[in-house]
Amino acid sequence: GAGVSQSPSNKVTEKGKDVELRCDPISGHTALYWYRQSLGQGLEFLIYFQGNSAPDKSGLPSDRFSAERTGGSVSTLTIQRTQQEDSAVYLCASSLVAPAGFDNEQFFGPGTRLTVL
Amino acid sequence: AQTVTQSQPEMSVQEAETVTLSCTYDTSENNYYLFWYKQPPSRQMILVIRQEAYKQQNATENRFSVNFQKAAKSFSLKISDSQLGDTAMYFCAFMKHGVNYGGSQGNLIFGKGTKLSVKP
Repeated sequence: GAGVSQSPSNKVTEKGKDVELRCDPISGHTALYWYRQSLGQGLEFLIYFQGNSAPDKSGLPSDRFSAERTGGSVSTLTIQRTQQEDSAVYLCASSLVAPAGFDNEQFFGPGTRLTVL
Repeated sequence: AQTVTQSQPEMSVQEAETVTLSCTYDTSENNYYLFWYKQPPSRQMILVIRQEAYKQQNATENRFSVNFQKAAKSFSLKISDSQLGDTAMYFCAFMKHGVNYGGSQGNLIFGKGTKLSVKP
């Protein structure tokens, strides 16, 4: 399809394991965003990519979280040594121009639901 | 730092009636953007309506309209002629405006959402 896709749709893992979440933005979109949606914190911004570069990584919750983007396309969010508080839905969004703005809409994917047992 | 508050965790409305969802925000910025997003059970966030802070005229999109009160920092969403397909979580969101995009990453700051149920 032509929209933002994310995989896996659902992921169940054990505490302490590493996980990788993938985002495929809309083809040609320069900007890519990761958000986390959890019961306790609501929706929070994690990181923004302008092309392959992330100008500011301060939104990542801890140093267990990292993200990369290659080829100006696919992005991977990696969580090392997962904890139960990492359980959430991780949403990815992309926009044609970086950064997103009023006329430069962010299109969201369906998210990955991560459950840490 | 900017914050967005949605004071109604849940609301319900009868089909064909009108409902208003509340949103307030706090910012020291003068230029910014405001959005309402809909999140159905499929989890995919869908943009419903958007407003530029420097425009006084309230935005409208078909059955959806906003009441933007800049001085009060209020941005409510009115849904007219509610339909069963409007059942979803609704999120109010703030985006900082960056002159020539300087200082803004274009990230959205969301409220905690209002769960809207449209009843037949």
